[in-house]
Amino acid sequence: EPEVTQTPSHQVTQMGQEVILRCVPISNHLYFYWYRQILGQKVEFLVSFYNNEISEKSEIFDDQFSVERPDGSNFTLKIRSTKLEDSAMYFCASSEQPFVDLRDRGRGETQYFGPGTRLLVL
Amino acid sequence: KQEVTQIPAALSVPEGENLVLNCSFTDSAIYNLQWFRQDPGKGLTSLLLIQSSQREQTSGRLNASLDKSSGRSTLYIAASQPGDSATYLCAVPSTDSWGKLQFGAGTQVVVTP
Repeated sequence: EPEVTQTPSHQVTQMGQEVILRCVPISNHLYFYWYRQILGQKVEFLVSFYNNEISEKSEIFDDQFSVERPDGSNFTLKIRSTKLEDSAMYFCASSEQPFVDLRDRGRGETQYFGPGTRLLVL
Repeated sequence: KQEVTQIPAALSVPEGENLVLNCSFTDSAIYNLQWFRQDPGKGLTSLLLIQSSQREQTSGRLNASLDKSSGRSTLYIAASQPGDSATYLCAVPSTDSWGKLQFGAGTQVVVTP
């Protein structure tokens, strides 16, 4: 069964360093997402991406964060200058499409999550 | 603003007992509700997605019900097994944004042999 993959599984970095987290979404999916989960807290939305541009971003997703789809398969999250509070598990997700018809609120599409990258900022 | 709550935070049951997990949300104008399983230190596995037009969705031993008017969903797991031990999360799309899932804090389940 197709699945979302993420690399690396763990990353340790020094405060102020740049990190790039990588994701390979499911191949026929068109919508991509990043979420994060700080230890002991809820999973939080960071950003959604469609048609090579950001669809929506949360307040967490400030200028230190960026996303890119550099080729037909990869989807990356870059943190330019990491802070201690960026330590978290980062999840990539993808979905085929959010709705068949935006006017039809009875339908939606499952988001499939990757295994996550555990980021530790020292 | 949508708030998603899961009670209880933790649950322990003996093997073979049925599990009942609750999820409540404050804004009933949801598009769908998704249940996930999370194993310690691992990713999220999608279990079921129940659409706003449905009242129930089943997959094997899992059954999810949805009552939009009361802002509740329940996940039933029949005949629990030790392998069902995990944290179960529910999530709904934000009412103003199709793709942004808002998660509950989860219910940590332990099934004892």
